[in-house]
Amino acid sequence: EVQLVESGGGLVKPGGSLRLSCAASGFTFSTYSMTWVRQAPGKGLEWVSSINSVSTYIYYTDSVKGRFTISRDNAENSLFLQMDSLRAEDTAVYYCARVEGQYDGSGIDYWGQGTLVTVS
Amino acid sequence: QSVLTQPPSVSAAPGQKVTISCSGSSSNIGNNYVSWYQQFPGTAPKLLIYDNNKRPSGIPDRFSGSKSGTAATLGITGLQTGDEADYYCGTWDTSLSANVFGTGTKVTVL
Repeated sequence: EVQLVESGGGLVKPGGSLRLSCAASGFTFSTYSMTWVRQAPGKGLEWVSSINSVSTYIYYTDSVKGRFTISRDNAENSLFLQMDSLRAEDTAVYYCARVEGQYDGSGIDYWGQGTLVTVS
Repeated sequence: QSVLTQPPSVSAAPGQKVTISCSGSSSNIGNNYVSWYQQFPGTAPKLLIYDNNKRPSGIPDRFSGSKSGTAATLGITGLQTGDEADYYCGTWDTSLSANVFGTGTKVTVL
């Protein structure tokens, strides 16, 4: 069974930092692209960042470029999101998710339960 | 704001059909595959459709997807009360080099 378990969320002051982690199990982590998607309270889904299986292709939404860094450790089956210079508008539930295909825009087939980040 | 536009809400009686539109442009829907997601309040989204019209294992054939030009459509037939949820389209935007989601549509079963 595919499982994605996020951790690391919490309350942080503006300008602060947080590091989100996602522990993956139940599939061959090293062969899948992974992504972070967030959802602000009462709002829609917003894609944040993606990384391919070997960390050679990394993308970010414009609003987090230069502040967030996505990374992965295939030996530990883990995905990370380092978030620096946090702003109030970064407040959201952050989902770790698996990308089902090998091309840009592939569907996101498995999602974690989410971790809440509050910047205040 | 999202580059993919969906109607805020759609509704129909149980057993009826609803369609949800997702309007984009040549840089996203027009040249990339579209996915659809279902989300219940307080839970993570669930993949319903990928590659425009393919259903993951376990998704009933009441859910269907299609694409024409720069627009995509999700159809739900035999509407059930359990289908009341928010639905989002998603794709890649080649100009932005970014994944994009639609604005979301709330489905209400009357």
